[in-house]
Amino acid sequence: NAGVTQTPKFRVLKTGQSMTLLCAQDMNHEYMYWYRQDPGMGLRLIHYSVGEGTTAKGEVPDGYNVSRLKKQNFLLGLESAAPSQTSVYFCASSYYITSGEIAKNIQYFGAGTRLSVL
Amino acid sequence: LAKTTQPISMDSYEGQEVNITCSHNNIATNDYITWYQQFPSQGPRFIIQGYKTKVTNEVASLFIPADRKSSTLSLPRVSLSDTAVYYCLVGSYSGNTPLVFGKGTRLSVIA
Repeated sequence: NAGVTQTPKFRVLKTGQSMTLLCAQDMNHEYMYWYRQDPGMGLRLIHYSVGEGTTAKGEVPDGYNVSRLKKQNFLLGLESAAPSQTSVYFCASSYYITSGEIAKNIQYFGAGTRLSVL
Repeated sequence: LAKTTQPISMDSYEGQEVNITCSHNNIATNDYITWYQQFPSQGPRFIIQGYKTKVTNEVASLFIPADRKSSTLSLPRVSLSDTAVYYCLVGSYSGNTPLVFGKGTRLSVIA
């Protein structure tokens, strides 16, 4: 049981190049998320998905696109990388259960992808 | 979404109990409180979650007063390996409203 796996772990891009980050989870979770974390900062939500075939924008979606064609995979794309997108990217997945009227949702994170855009 | 406020940083000596308080004055009835821990160069990891009163697991305790406008994460007898950033999140997890991570509290444990 690998949990949440991110590919690649490191990448260096030149300004204007494109790339796709892959997130795979083997826990059959419905929800998946992409965050970015800049030095000394908390995590900021880029995009998320509440199920296969669905995506939604988070706090900082500009410059990124996502796709969730399969339940276990969530792809993050940078069409034209910019230096401002230099960051560590984390993927997470979560299940959603209810206990009475109170819902619970715990996120499981990948190890991160460190991206530098020159 | 309920906004949270927590100290930016804290220092503690090994073996001491550490309490990190999070304020969430506008918490809603269906909101509950979750804490995550993040070590350098790693993704956050779930620590504990609660709705009211006290919750305890093998890692920490979470104290929530009756008015639920704040919560306190308690780490017993910290060690150097507890040095990390701790995030407090509040939300209803309605399914379409993901939670927001703030900047967290950076805990430094000193020998």
